[in-house]
Amino acid sequence: DGGITQSPKYLFRKEGQNVTLSCEQNLNHDAMYWYRQDPGQGLRLIYYSQIVNDFQKGDIAEGYSVSREKKESFPLTVTSAQKNPTAFYLCASSISMGGFYEQYFGPGTRLTVT
Amino acid sequence: AQSVAQPEDQVNVAEGNPLTVKCTYSVSGNPYLFWYVQYPNRGLQFLLKYITGDNLVKGSYGFEAEFNKSQTSFHLKKPSALVSDSALYFCAVSTSSGGSYIPTFGRGTSLIVHP
Repeated sequence: DGGITQSPKYLFRKEGQNVTLSCEQNLNHDAMYWYRQDPGQGLRLIYYSQIVNDFQKGDIAEGYSVSREKKESFPLTVTSAQKNPTAFYLCASSISMGGFYEQYFGPGTRLTVT
Repeated sequence: AQSVAQPEDQVNVAEGNPLTVKCTYSVSGNPYLFWYVQYPNRGLQFLLKYITGDNLVKGSYGFEAEFNKSQTSFHLKKPSALVSDSALYFCAVSTSSGGSYIPTFGRGTSLIVHP
């Protein structure tokens, strides 16, 4: 069964701690993305990767970091430098970044930082 | 820069009635347009897209959308709404020239279908 998995579904952390969100895909897609979703704000792009060992900052990359060591995996670390980390985080992938490929989304991770 | 506007935060419709969720866009170059649906606490699911060709695009679950270049719109429609269509709907735009390959999403429209 192909798709994107994100874990965990819910994550709770104390302020000042770094936390890593997992994203794995078995669709053989080259491109992967991380979005943050806040109520009434739509999706905002954090980072994206066109290919293994390459990634680029999106619109709101400050306080986040990523790696892309394998085609299947694109983990996101929310660092203590992120001022307002509580949000719903979505990982997505697409065949490539030609612009006309639709994205496939994971089920999301809801992060709560207190 | 490319952008998407979804002018309605919420659309209410009675079950069995036709529904329309509006989307307008701004992009340099030819647009690629997408609709996605999101159910509570879930990821987005792809519904349909316009790349080129026929202006009327048919997608999943009986949804369709019409590309109107002169009005820069890509409204989502369904002839007969179901209660199970209640969800959050996102329009997105990208392009292969003069803009970004990466889709820009609208803020979303909450569709509520009343029994």
